Amino acid sequence: DTAVSQTPKYLVTQMGNDKSIKCEQNLGHDTMYWYKQDSKKFLKIMFSYNNKELIINETVPNRFSPKSPDKAHLNLHINSLELGDSAVYFCASSLGLAGGQETQYFGPGTRLLVL
Amino acid sequence: AQKVTQAQTEISVVEKEDVTLDCVYETRDTTYYLFWYKQPPSGELVFLIRRNSFDEQNEISGRYSWNFQKSTSSFNFTITASQVVDSAVYFCALSAATDSWGKFQFGAGTQVVVTP
Repeated sequence: DTAVSQTPKYLVTQMGNDKSIKCEQNLGHDTMYWYKQDSKKFLKIMFSYNNKELIINETVPNRFSPKSPDKAHLNLHINSLELGDSAVYFCASSLGLAGGQETQYFGPGTRLLVL
Repeated sequence: AQKVTQAQTEISVVEKEDVTLDCVYETRDTTYYLFWYKQPPSGELVFLIRRNSFDEQNEISGRYSWNFQKSTSSFNFTITASQVVDSAVYFCALSAATDSWGKFQFGAGTQVVVTP
């Protein structure tokens, strides 16, 4: 059984388009995250939600908007896509926040290419 | 601010050699957590280990071992008798108890290439 799943796995689109990436976890976790991995493999957190409440909102352009309909789902919507948005986007989840001690489990990643 | 440094960009070894990956961290917190993740060529991120700042015991899991030394702010990872399947990018990460609630600071990663 897949613990953290993301769709789609690959996304190729034109500049200026709007796209969404979906994430679901079946681990019963309360906290979910979005990370961006750039072409040099550097991983940086973008957002986190705990029980549908936004907790972390890093310096990410307003074109990126996360939405958490319930604690098992965290979607990422990107407006007006730019070339620089090309990256791998990872969703992750953890049991809770608990002062930073919780292990984060990652989805398989979504490879976004903006042409 | 938290910082993780993985100074080794790439390490190449021949199968059965041992390989040690360095991880040096910076934090002002006294309570913090360190993690290692593996990213194989298929791209997923696989959790390997978590350590808290109060537990300096070294850990061994099969061919993997970890050496945590607070005195040098290091949490190094050794793969013994490497195999081709160990080829991957390995990330060290830090989470501090007082920093934004689960905000992992990742190192830049070390690419390990194991050739037969």
